Amino acid sequence: QVQLVESGGGVVQPGGSLRLSCAASGFTFSSYGMHWVRQAPGKGLEWVAFIRYDGSNKYYADSVKGRFTISRDNSKNTLYLQMNSLRAEDTAVYYCAKEEWELLHLYYFDYWGQGTLVTVSS
Amino acid sequence: EIVLTQSPGTLSLSPGERATLSCRASQSVSSSYLAWYQQKPGQAPRLLIYGASSRATGIPDRFSGSGSGTDFTLTISRLEPEDFAVYYCQQYGSFPITFGQGTRLEIK
Repeated sequence: QVQLVESGGGVVQPGGSLRLSCAASGFTFSSYGMHWVRQAPGKGLEWVAFIRYDGSNKYYADSVKGRFTISRDNSKNTLYLQMNSLRAEDTAVYYCAKEEWELLHLYYFDYWGQGTLVTVSS
Repeated sequence: EIVLTQSPGTLSLSPGERATLSCRASQSVSSSYLAWYQQKPGQAPRLLIYGASSRATGIPDRFSGSGSGTDFTLTISRLEPEDFAVYYCQQYGSFPITFGQGTRLEIK
């Protein structure tokens, strides 16, 4: 069965960095586009970043462009989000999410991880 | 950026009643690339509908989606106790991908 397990969250000071990981299993990871979506406490969902199945194309929300980097290691079935220059407004639960269709990019999400909490605070 | 506006913000209904949730886009959503998700407290979102009207795997047929262009609707024909949650629409026709602010469906 499909599993997505995020890790790497925690408390970090403003201006600091953090790297999130998402370990995938139960499907051919290298054939699917992947995304990060976040949710601030008590708020709605915000899409953060996308990476193509082969890593050759990436998109970012304007709110994180230039500060966050999405990447993947298909040999390790793992998705990453490198977060630099963190701000208080980046505080959220970060979810990794999988697209439904293999090798065909329709950017909706059939599986989500359980999320990892990132808190940016001094 | 396509802004999605969901209404109402909160919907109070009783089990057995029909729920109608609206999602309006600031510009046309290409190819009806509109999805709906359900989220319960402490849980990740769950895909209900994609392509505006296609039910995801395992979703009961009391959930249905409709609409095109800028106006979309999620209908729950007869509410079950487990349906009370927050519902989000999402457009995936263009980047940036955007979500509506959510509709909270609560028990009356």
